[in-house]
Amino acid sequence: AQSVSQHNHHVILSEAASLELGCNYSYGGTVNLFWYVQYPGQHLQLLLKYFSGDPLVKGIKGFEAEFIKSKFSFNLRKPSVQWSDTAEYFCAGTYGGATNKLIFGTGTLLAVQP
Amino acid sequence: NAGVTQTPKFQVLKTGQSMTLQCAQDMNHEYMSWYRQDPGMGLRLIHYSVGAGITDQGEVPNGYNVSRSTTEDFPLRLLSAAPSQTSVYFCASSSPRDRGTDTQYFGPGTRLTVL
Repeated sequence: AQSVSQHNHHVILSEAASLELGCNYSYGGTVNLFWYVQYPGQHLQLLLKYFSGDPLVKGIKGFEAEFIKSKFSFNLRKPSVQWSDTAEYFCAGTYGGATNKLIFGTGTLLAVQP
Repeated sequence: NAGVTQTPKFQVLKTGQSMTLQCAQDMNHEYMSWYRQDPGMGLRLIHYSVGAGITDQGEVPNGYNVSRSTTEDFPLRLLSAAPSQTSVYFCASSSPRDRGTDTQYFGPGTRLTVL
């Protein structure tokens, strides 16, 4: 079955530390990949997405992600986190053009300490 | 544009009660979906629709009904609420016209507690 997995469930960092959150997807043909963020008490917002082309995708707020097909990975990175990045981060994918059927990972809760 | 709106924001039900969660979008999106979010499980697709009059089941459809009579609205009905349906429910919409770049836009969510 198609799936998206996130192995880091809870990450605690100090401000200015670098961030990398792991995301792996299962094989299933054409895949589109997304990272969403959910700030406390708010709804999901799109950070970035990958459909095709350059495997290094830049998103909002200084985030980027790299699509590595050989590793089935789409890790999220940020060189220097801020306290305001404290949130839950979800990796998600759609398969075979089913763009309205997102498959989500279980999420990573990031806490940034000032 | 208001985007995707959901009502109510919070709801408490007793086991066996029924209710409808409302979702509306003003972006003229063809696709709409309902997800539930549970701790440690991410978001899971309940039902989705690719246009007015067309709906289909997602990963966890049991206990929920949907209909899509207009492009704008996609209500989710709980027929007989159970404690296992305690969750946060998100509605989302997107458009296949943005082929290759389409993105789902999410509503603010409804937090439902079933006692």
